[in-house]
Amino acid sequence: DAKTTQPNSMESNEEEPVHLPCNHSTISGTDYIHWYRQLPSQGPEYVIHGLTSNVNNRMASLAIAEDRKSSTLILHRATLRDAAVYYCILPSGAGSYQLTFGKGTKLSVIP
Amino acid sequence: EADIYQTPRYLVIGTGKKITLECSQTMGHDKMYWYQQDPGMELHLIHYSYGVNSTEKGDLSSESTVSRIRTEHFPLTLESARPSHTSQYLCASSGSVMAHTEAFFGQGTRLTVV
Repeated sequence: DAKTTQPNSMESNEEEPVHLPCNHSTISGTDYIHWYRQLPSQGPEYVIHGLTSNVNNRMASLAIAEDRKSSTLILHRATLRDAAVYYCILPSGAGSYQLTFGKGTKLSVIP
Repeated sequence: EADIYQTPRYLVIGTGKKITLECSQTMGHDKMYWYQQDPGMELHLIHYSYGVNSTEKGDLSSESTVSRIRTEHFPLTLESARPSHTSQYLCASSGSVMAHTEAFFGQGTRLTVV
C-alpha cells in the first residue's frame, strides 16, 4: 500500500491561507489522493480528493504535483473552525478500497 | 449534512456486560465501516461490509462482532465488555469504492468500560 507523510503539526493565523503538504512517493498510477479532517470530538469529514489534476471545491483546493509524489491541501482563508487534524490518504485494499488513517497534521488557527 | 447516525453518543458500562453500538444510514450506501480510535491516536479499521450479509474483519483485531441484515443498519456488538474496550467507535459509509467518492462518518460512540 502507498504510504503518506505529513508534518505532525502546523499553525496558521486566522484569515490567512494555509498550505498543508503531503508526500506520497510510492503512489501508483491509479491511486486517488483523499483529504479528510477531524474536528475535536467529532468523526472525520471529507474535504476533497483528486487523481491528477488540481481540484477545487467550496472547502478547499488540492494541488497535485506533476509527478504525483506530493500534494498540497490549500485552505484559502483559515478560520477558527478549520482547527482540526487533517489526513492525507490514498485509499487501498483488496479491490474495494479502504481508508487507512495515519497521524495526520494537527492544524492550529491563531485568532 | 451526513445522514449517518450512531447511538448512543456516550456509554459507561460495567465489565462483563453485553453491549450493542448502533449505526444507521439513510443514503442507501452498500459499503459500511467501523473504526476504533483511542484519544489522540489514529483511527483503525476493525470491521467492514460491502453489502447485506457481507462482513469482514479490518486491519486491527477486535473482539467485537458485526452484522449486516439490512442495508441501512450496521450494529457492532461486544459480548462481554472489558476495560480494554474503552475507546471511541466510529461508523462510516460510502456509496461506491472509496477511491472514487467520499465516505461519511457518524459522530462516534465514546465507550467507557469500568
